[in-house]
Amino acid sequence: DQQVKQNSPSLSVQEGRISILNCDYTNSMFDYFLWYKKYPAEGPTFLISISSIKDKNEDGRFTVFLNKSAKHLSLHIVPSQPGDSAVYFCAAYTGNQFYFGTGTSLTVIP
Amino acid sequence: GAVVSQHPSRVICKSGTSVKIECRSLDFQATTMFWYRQFPKQSLMLMATSNEGSKATYEQGVEKDKFLINHASLTLSTLTVTSAHPEDSSFYICSAMAGGPQPQHFGDGTRLSIL
Repeated sequence: DQQVKQNSPSLSVQEGRISILNCDYTNSMFDYFLWYKKYPAEGPTFLISISSIKDKNEDGRFTVFLNKSAKHLSLHIVPSQPGDSAVYFCAAYTGNQFYFGTGTSLTVIP
Repeated sequence: GAVVSQHPSRVICKSGTSVKIECRSLDFQATTMFWYRQFPKQSLMLMATSNEGSKATYEQGVEKDKFLINHASLTLSTLTVTSAHPEDSSFYICSAMAGGPQPQHFGDGTRLSIL
């Protein structure tokens, strides 16, 4: 049972525009959420996180939004750059365990 | 940022061979390490969680006698794929966490190919 879902397997965005990656979850016990970026043949790299007591966290070009009532998480990248092209995984944490979505492949077109 | 080193990055070996993969946290003490397996175009599948000094907790469907995990110190965990077969070919990734909830930091993965 997939508790964390990323329903868009891919996304293409023009350079300079905003990229919005979405993630839905089902378990209300999740108390910490993260976004990771992954290049081929490499391990994921941590990008940004948010605690369940917050609804927004910003770090440079990256902002994560959490809507607990909708059990929805999103990552905004603005402005998008070609180097942002990668697979993005959202993850949720509870009970010393992380649950990952299936990833969204972002392509930023120069 | 935190660095996790995973070695080797690629292994190609014959069926029946046992393969050991090392995961080291280089600049922090990892109380918990995770081992994942990734199939093509799929998410990371958690195989097991290991806490330093105790036995690993395996996910349902993961054979603990096949995938031996040792977490003997706060900076090193090893995964040994025993008597590997072609169906064990995959991308294995480890991660380490200093204490939850915090981000886990990933190694670069090991591509295992069993002929």
